[in-house]
Amino acid sequence: DTGVSQDPRHKITKRGQNVTFRCDPISEHNRLYWYRQTLGQGPEFLTYFQNEAQLEKSRLLSDRFSAERPKGSFSTLEIQRTEQGDSAMYLCASSPDPQGSYGYTFGSGTRLTVV
Amino acid sequence: QQPVQSPQAVILREGEDAVINCSSSKALYSVHWYRQKHGEAPVFLMILLKGGEQKGHEKISASFNEKKQQSSLYLTASQLSYSGTYFCGTGGAGRRALTFGSGTRLQVQP
Repeated sequence: DTGVSQDPRHKITKRGQNVTFRCDPISEHNRLYWYRQTLGQGPEFLTYFQNEAQLEKSRLLSDRFSAERPKGSFSTLEIQRTEQGDSAMYLCASSPDPQGSYGYTFGSGTRLTVV
Repeated sequence: QQPVQSPQAVILREGEDAVINCSSSKALYSVHWYRQKHGEAPVFLMILLKGGEQKGHEKISASFNEKKQQSSLYLTASQLSYSGTYFCGTGGAGRRALTFGSGTRLQVQP
C-alpha cells in the first residue's frame, strides 16, 4: 500500500494556459475524489468517480474543468484557460467502498499557482 | 451545504481537553473527522455512521446526534501532536461525496 500519489507536487502556469494533474489512488479503492483547497478553508468538492464512471460533479465547477478515470485506475484533472482564481491546492482522495462508510485517504496534493 | 464548525480556533496546554462541534442543516448518513497539519494532506481520524456505528483510531472519541444533525469530536489529555486543523466532512445517504466544514485550528502548547 503506497498511498495516494499526485503529480506534479507544484505547478506554476501563466494565465490562459491549460494544466493537467494526475492522481494514482490506492489500487484496491474503487472510489476516487477530487477536491480543491484554498488557504484557511476546508476541501471543496469538485468531482468523484466510482471505478471509471464519473458519478457527481460540483455545480460550482465551470466547463473549463474536466476529469477522467480511464479503466478505473488513475485519474486526471484538466483545467483549461487557467485563471488566477484557480490558484489552490488540488487534492485527490480514494476510498474502498461505494456506500461511503470508510474514510478517505488523501494524496499530498498539487499546488497550482496561476500568474 | 457546508457544515458549520465551532469553535474556529482553540489554544490548549498539554493535558487539557477540547471539544470541536460540527452541525449540518441537512439529514446526515455519516460524519467524518480529519486532521490536517500545515503543508500536509488531511488524515482520516474517525467516521460515525447513522445507526451508531463508529470506526476510527487513536485516542479520540466522537458523538453523532442524528436528530440534531450534529457531531462532536472529543480530544482528551491533549498532546503536542494533536495540533493542526480539524475538519468534519458530512455525507448524505447513498453515493454522495463528503462536504467539508471550514475547519477548527487547534494549537497545543507545552
